[in-house]
Amino acid sequence: DGGITQSPKYLFRKEGQNVTLSCEQNLNHDAMYWYRQDPGQGLRLIYYSQIVNDFQKGDIAEGYSVSREKKESFPLTVTSAQKNPTAFYLCASSIRGQNQPQHFGDGTRLSIL
Amino acid sequence: AQSVSQHNHHVILSEAASLELGCNYSYGGTVNLFWYVQYPGQHLQLLLKYFSGDPLVKGIKGFEAEFIKSKFSFNLRKPSVQWSDTAEYFCAVNTAYNTDKLIFGTGTRLQVFP
Repeated sequence: DGGITQSPKYLFRKEGQNVTLSCEQNLNHDAMYWYRQDPGQGLRLIYYSQIVNDFQKGDIAEGYSVSREKKESFPLTVTSAQKNPTAFYLCASSIRGQNQPQHFGDGTRLSIL
Repeated sequence: AQSVSQHNHHVILSEAASLELGCNYSYGGTVNLFWYVQYPGQHLQLLLKYFSGDPLVKGIKGFEAEFIKSKFSFNLRKPSVQWSDTAEYFCAVNTAYNTDKLIFGTGTRLQVFP
C-alpha cells in the first residue's frame, strides 16, 4: 500500500533536547510538507520541500530544521530553540502542481516533559 | 497575507439533519479550494476540491461544496448527516501565486448524535 509513514506515533522528550520526527513516503511524490496542529489553530506550515536537497521555510519555521537528502524522506528536527514544542505534527506529500491534493500521514504527538 | 476563516468551531447535530459549514478566504486572485476531513484516530483525507469550472463540486460520502467567488466562500454541505460523519473538517486554500503553500482554516469539529 502506498502512503506516508510517520514515526513514532508518540514521542516524549525532556526540555532542552533536540528531537527528530521521521516521515517517509512511497508515493513517489516530489513535494513534502511538515505541519503543526494545535487545538483551535488548524494546521500551520513549518517547512516544505519541492525537490530533493531543497526546502523552504513555512509560516512557523523558527526552532525547527529539516533535511531532504532522499525523495522518500523528510525528517523534522524540533530543536531546543522551539519555545513551545508540545504539539501534534503532521507530514504530507503531493505531486507538484497547483491542483494536486496533499496526502497526510497519521501524525506524531510530541510531548516535552 | 492570505487567510482562511471557519466560523463554526463546534457543530452538534442529530442524525438526518442538514449540514452547512462555512469557509471564507481572503485573497482576490485565482484560488484552489479544498475540504479535508479528519475522522477520530485517522489521518487527514481529502473530501473534495475545486480548481475551475462548475462552482458546485461533489465529494465523497455525499458531501458537496459551492464556490461563490463574489463572497470569497466555499461552504461545505450535506443534506443528511450520519453518526459516521463525526469528525473535524478543515477548509484549505492555495493560490495561483503560490501553489506550494496550502493555507488551512482552524477547523470545525462536527459531532453527530444518533
